[in-house]
Amino acid sequence: AQRVTQPEKLLSVFKGAPVELKCNYSYSGSPELFWYVQYSRQRLQLLLRHISRESIKGFTADLNKGETSFHLKKPFAQEEDSAMYYCALLNQGGKLIFGQGTELSVKP
Amino acid sequence: DTGVSQDPRHKITKRGQNVTFRCDPISEHNRLYWYRQTLGQGPEFLTYFQNEAQLEKSRLLSDRFSAERPKGSFSTLEIQRTEQGDSAMYLCASSLEGTANYGYTFGSGTRLTVV
Repeated sequence: AQRVTQPEKLLSVFKGAPVELKCNYSYSGSPELFWYVQYSRQRLQLLLRHISRESIKGFTADLNKGETSFHLKKPFAQEEDSAMYYCALLNQGGKLIFGQGTELSVKP
Repeated sequence: DTGVSQDPRHKITKRGQNVTFRCDPISEHNRLYWYRQTLGQGPEFLTYFQNEAQLEKSRLLSDRFSAERPKGSFSTLEIQRTEQGDSAMYLCASSLEGTANYGYTFGSGTRLTVV
């Protein structure tokens, strides 16, 4: 089965605190994984891809094949990070499969 | 090119009516995808096109749903005899074949409310 699981619907932290949004996947092949973000009243947009191993807006995510995870992390959360975050897997057919999403709320 | 455009942004319709949504992808993208998103859920795949060919349809896409991309450019998604359960955000995305690993570009979506 091809599945992406984000166990937390809501994650609430204070500004400056570390953030970790969890993502686990189920896929028999070699996965390509993404994090998408949707800010209030904006369209879904790509945040980062595991293949590029980049850091965007201070966020990083490492693919752990042993744990089948791709958690999103940021050491110091900012209020502007408040948004919906979706983990997604690209299957071999070129189709993106999304998790249920985690709402991140960063309080001042 | 202003990205992926969807029209209308919002649609309210009575149960049993037919509705049609339009998506204009990024012009050089030959792949176009339709997703549906309900409250509290992530986007769910409906169907996708490569040029004008519809290559895959989800089981979520009942017989009341039909999608077309007649000239390999814009696409339409039609829902016939709408039901309240069709209320959702319908998202369109596009990519260039072979570059999906760079991610899709999404439109703003069409929010459908069936009353």
